[in-house]
Amino acid sequence: DGGITQSPKYLFRKEGQNVTLSCEQNLNHDAMYWYRQDPGQGLRLIYYSQIVNDFQKGDIAEGYSVSREKKESFPLTVTSAQKNPTAFYLCASSRLDTDRGYTFGSGTRLTVV
Amino acid sequence: GESVGLHLPTLSVQEGDNSIINCAYSNSASDYFIWYKQESGKGPQFIIDIRSNMDKRQGQRVTVLLNKTVKHLSLQIAATQPGDSAVYFCAENIGGYQKVTFGTGTKLQVIP
Repeated sequence: DGGITQSPKYLFRKEGQNVTLSCEQNLNHDAMYWYRQDPGQGLRLIYYSQIVNDFQKGDIAEGYSVSREKKESFPLTVTSAQKNPTAFYLCASSRLDTDRGYTFGSGTRLTVV
Repeated sequence: GESVGLHLPTLSVQEGDNSIINCAYSNSASDYFIWYKQESGKGPQFIIDIRSNMDKRQGQRVTVLLNKTVKHLSLQIAATQPGDSAVYFCAENIGGYQKVTFGTGTKLQVIP
């Protein structure tokens, strides 16, 4: 089955550490996205990529970094510069030629301890 | 995950009744709208979409209504079932996927 896989499902990080969240899709989608979700708030865009080796900052990119070396993969690194990293992180992908919305992964819950 | 539902407006409906979830969107230039369903601990799932040249679209047990005059979107769920319990988000888009804006969501609780 085609889909989008995020790992791990739960992640704990000590203050001052960088952590990388994995996102892989086998849907042959061109575009991939990272969102952050906090209680009582809508999804906020961190980074997005429409093509390999290219990506753009979203609304809350500070303290995060991404790479897009392969079409299937779009890992997100939460750096120590991110002041409030505890959140639920969602990866999504989409085609660019039709209006069919996003396919989301199941999310990674990151907790700073 | 579970904490996504905290602090959200909540709609409680009896099993078998119809549900109506509302959303006010922000940009009059938005031309594509989507409703997503997010169950506890999972990512959002696409439910139904509508383009701005339509005012109504029906799916299986769901109907989306669009009122561009007042920038309002609604999702109607017929014969609500316990499995419909989730957080529902609307999303608006202006001519490109990188500019999707998500609403804060409404939590639907179905009472058996």
